[in-house]
Amino acid sequence: GEDVEQSLFLSVREGDSSVINCTYTDSSSTYLYWYKQEPGAGLQLLTYIFSNMDMKQDQRLTVLLNKKDKHLSLRIADTQTGDSAIYFCAEKEYSGGGADGLTFGKGTHLIIQP
Amino acid sequence: NAGVTQTPKFQVLKTGQSMTLQCAQDMNHNSMYWYRQDPGMGLRLIYYSASEGTTDKGEVPNGYNVSRLNKREFSLRLESAAPSQTSVYFCASSDEAGQPQHFGDGTRLSIL
Repeated sequence: GEDVEQSLFLSVREGDSSVINCTYTDSSSTYLYWYKQEPGAGLQLLTYIFSNMDMKQDQRLTVLLNKKDKHLSLRIADTQTGDSAIYFCAEKEYSGGGADGLTFGKGTHLIIQP
Repeated sequence: NAGVTQTPKFQVLKTGQSMTLQCAQDMNHNSMYWYRQDPGMGLRLIYYSASEGTTDKGEVPNGYNVSRLNKREFSLRLESAAPSQTSVYFCASSDEAGQPQHFGDGTRLSIL
C-alpha cells in the first residue's frame, strides 16, 4: 500500500533556507503535493509535481524529486515568521481515471527561530 | 471566490447523537472527498465521490455515511456518534484525477 513519511519537526533561523523532506513508496506514476496548514486553518496547496519531473520552482519554493530513492523535498528560501506552519507531503497514484484520495504524511512542524 | 465551504465550523455532540456535516464547492469540480485529521496524524480519507451519483469508501469509512446530493454538495453523516470520532473533518474537491485537491477550512467536532 501507499505510505508517506516525513520528519515531525524542523527548526530554522529566520532568513535561512528550510528544507522539508518526504519519502513515498508508491509506483513511478505518481502525483506529489505539498500543502501548508496554519493553526486552526485548512490545508493550502503550495505546489505539486508529477513523477516524470525532477524539479519545480515557484518564487521562494523549490521542489526536488529523486525518483530512484522516492524522495521529495520542499525548499523554502529566506524563511520568514509567516512560514511557521505544518507542511504535509501527499501522494496520489495516477490510475488513468477515477478519483482516489490522497495519502498524506503526518506533517512537518516548521519552527522559525528569530 | 468561496472555493470549498464547510458547515458548521464547530460542533459538540453527545455519544449516540447523529449529525450531518455539509460541504459545498463552487468550482464545478467533479470529485469530492471527506478526510479526518487527528492529532499527530496526517489526513485520512473517509469517503470520496468521483462524480455526481457515485460514492466510494476510503481508508476509514466505518461509522460514516455520505451523500453526493448534486455536483456541488457532498455531505458526511454520523448516525450514532462515538468519542473516537472526535476529530477535525475536512472536505476537498478536485477537477480531474491528479489535479490538486482544494480544501475547506474544516469542521471541528467533539463527541462527549
